[in-house]
Amino acid sequence: DGGITQSPKYLFRKEGQNVTLSCEQNLNHDAMYWYRQDPGQGLRLIYYSQIVNDFQKGDIAEGYSVSREKKESFPLTVTSAQKNPTAFYLCASSISLEETQYFGPGTRLLVL
Amino acid sequence: ELKVEQNPLFLSMQEGKNYTIYCNYSTTSDRLYWYRQDPGKSLESLFVLLSNGAVKQEGRLMASLDTKARLSTLHITAAVHDLSATYFCAVVWRGSNYKLTFGKGTLLTVNP
Repeated sequence: DGGITQSPKYLFRKEGQNVTLSCEQNLNHDAMYWYRQDPGQGLRLIYYSQIVNDFQKGDIAEGYSVSREKKESFPLTVTSAQKNPTAFYLCASSISLEETQYFGPGTRLLVL
Repeated sequence: ELKVEQNPLFLSMQEGKNYTIYCNYSTTSDRLYWYRQDPGKSLESLFVLLSNGAVKQEGRLMASLDTKARLSTLHITAAVHDLSATYFCAVVWRGSNYKLTFGKGTLLTVNP
């Protein structure tokens, strides 16, 4: 059963802590993306990766980092430099940058 | 810079009525998407529109694209409660390396 999984569903971050959000896909897609959604807002692009071992900054990359060591996986780390991390984080993937993106179920990050 | 504007941002309508959501964008587009999001959930792709004059229909929803006017519409016919959700349009443009740029979304509430 192909799809995109994100974990955890909810994540709590303490002050000064780095946390990592997981995104895995078994759709054999080359491109993967991370978006942030704030209440009442559209999605904003954090990072994207066109291919393994390559990634690009999106519109709001400050305070975030990613890696793409495997085709199936694109983890996002929210660092302590991100001062306002509370949001809903969505991972997506597509066959290529030009094709339709499919979204995972999301992770809600809350600050303690 | 590509900008995408949706209106209205909030729409409350009665069951059985018709209404239209508008999506304007600021540059040429390579494709335009409509997504649906239920509260606390991920995004579901509804339509992808590729060329001027494109029209797609699924059930009570119909999307159209006018590339000359840089306008897409999502028309709701005889609304039912199950259509209550937030609807996003998103534009892809090769000039932004095929990144998806989202509107802020339209929160649709269909009342009995």
